[in-house]
Amino acid sequence: DTGVSQDPRHKITKRGQNVTFRCDPISEHNRLYWYRQTLGQGPEFLTYFQNEAQLEKSRLLSDRFSAERPKGSFSTLEIQRTEQGDSAMYLCASSFRAGNTEAFFGQGTRLTVV
Amino acid sequence: DAKTTQPPSMDCAEGRAANLPCNHSTISGNEYVYWYRQIHSQGPQYIIHGLKNNETNEMASLIITEDRKSSTLILPHATLRDTAVYYCIVRAPYGGATNKLIFGTGTLLAVQP
Repeated sequence: DTGVSQDPRHKITKRGQNVTFRCDPISEHNRLYWYRQTLGQGPEFLTYFQNEAQLEKSRLLSDRFSAERPKGSFSTLEIQRTEQGDSAMYLCASSFRAGNTEAFFGQGTRLTVV
Repeated sequence: DAKTTQPPSMDCAEGRAANLPCNHSTISGNEYVYWYRQIHSQGPQYIIHGLKNNETNEMASLIITEDRKSSTLILPHATLRDTAVYYCIVRAPYGGATNKLIFGTGTLLAVQP
């Protein structure tokens, strides 16, 4: 399978713990995005990378959230000191840089904070 | 990016055409109309996009009105596997610097057997 891969698919954590999610984009895509989706809502943009550079962060991305994309390949999203409000589906997407090309999404990581 | 308005839900009989409307009355001249869908517990999936001409691919057809203030996504022969939330998104060329997508709440299409 050469699509966008996310790991883990599900994560249950206790409030206050740190969690880290991984995204492996389609190999030739240099743009990578993170979105968050809560129940009944559409995905909300969190942050964007072009190669290894993080070029935009949403105001939704509080100080407890950090994302990296070392070497412009896979990306990680870390949430520190998780809160119950962080419970959501975290989606990763990738695309080519130029043109009106579509984004390809992974299956997401569902986070439940108890 | 322009705001879109979609009905929250629609039903369609299996085998019939599903016509999903979207209003985007504030769309700018250079903004494209994109459609994605999201099947339960999966990530969104690209369907089709267009600027002003009607578009067709193996999944669907996109009809954009002449004034570009609305569009319709047509699934010609809906199957049970087409049950999903369908998102209509308008986006500037290259989506601005980031090419990000701004999703609304979409239309839940329920295909009935």
